[in-house]
Amino acid sequence: AQKVTQAQTEISVVEKEDVTLDCVYETRDTTYYLFWYKQPPSGELVFLIRRNSFDEQNEISGRYSWNFQKSTSSFNFTITASQVVDSAVYFCALSEEDAGGTSYGKLTFGQGTILTVHP
Amino acid sequence: DGGITQSPKYLFRKEGQNVTLSCEQNLNHDAMYWYRQDPGQGLRLIYYSQIVNDFQKGDIAEGYSVSREKKESFPLTVTSAQKNPTAFYLCASSTGGGQNTEAFFGQGTRLTVV
Repeated sequence: AQKVTQAQTEISVVEKEDVTLDCVYETRDTTYYLFWYKQPPSGELVFLIRRNSFDEQNEISGRYSWNFQKSTSSFNFTITASQVVDSAVYFCALSEEDAGGTSYGKLTFGQGTILTVHP
Repeated sequence: DGGITQSPKYLFRKEGQNVTLSCEQNLNHDAMYWYRQDPGQGLRLIYYSQIVNDFQKGDIAEGYSVSREKKESFPLTVTSAQKNPTAFYLCASSTGGGQNTEAFFGQGTRLTVV
């Protein structure tokens, strides 16, 4: 069975610091998909990124960057120059192909990391 | 605006009662999902449906039931058999099939047993 581990329960930083959120996953599938979601205080999950298992290119989007390493089964997320608005719970998640085809909504989530950015 | 609407936002239930949480989407997505969120445990899949009139159990389906009579709607009933129903419930949808998109989530329903 698949599993996602986010070892950092809570992280507290001061604005403008860089912060990295760790994610380690387990799966027996060769084809899988990794996601990061942000959950602000309002409650809904906001999609940040999807990465498939065949694409190990790192990605940068503004202040956000992601490092995918299959060799260590990790998909870490870095926020550069953090801001107060980045304060939220961040979830790493995994989906696999099944008999019905890939379903990006059938996700295994990590426990989440609570990020607090202080002014 | 396209999106997922969950109602109510807050729900209180007496022990022994069944309650139904509403989830409606106007994104024309085929697949819909229900997740439960407890503090420190992330989200866990309760039920999912990849097409109308069909649904599958997720990891924690016991004490819950669903229906999918319309593409837009996927209501979740929390039955009296659910031993610990107090939690935050999130509904999601995605296109599924060969034209996948990532899942979009509603704003959630917080259920409290009183």
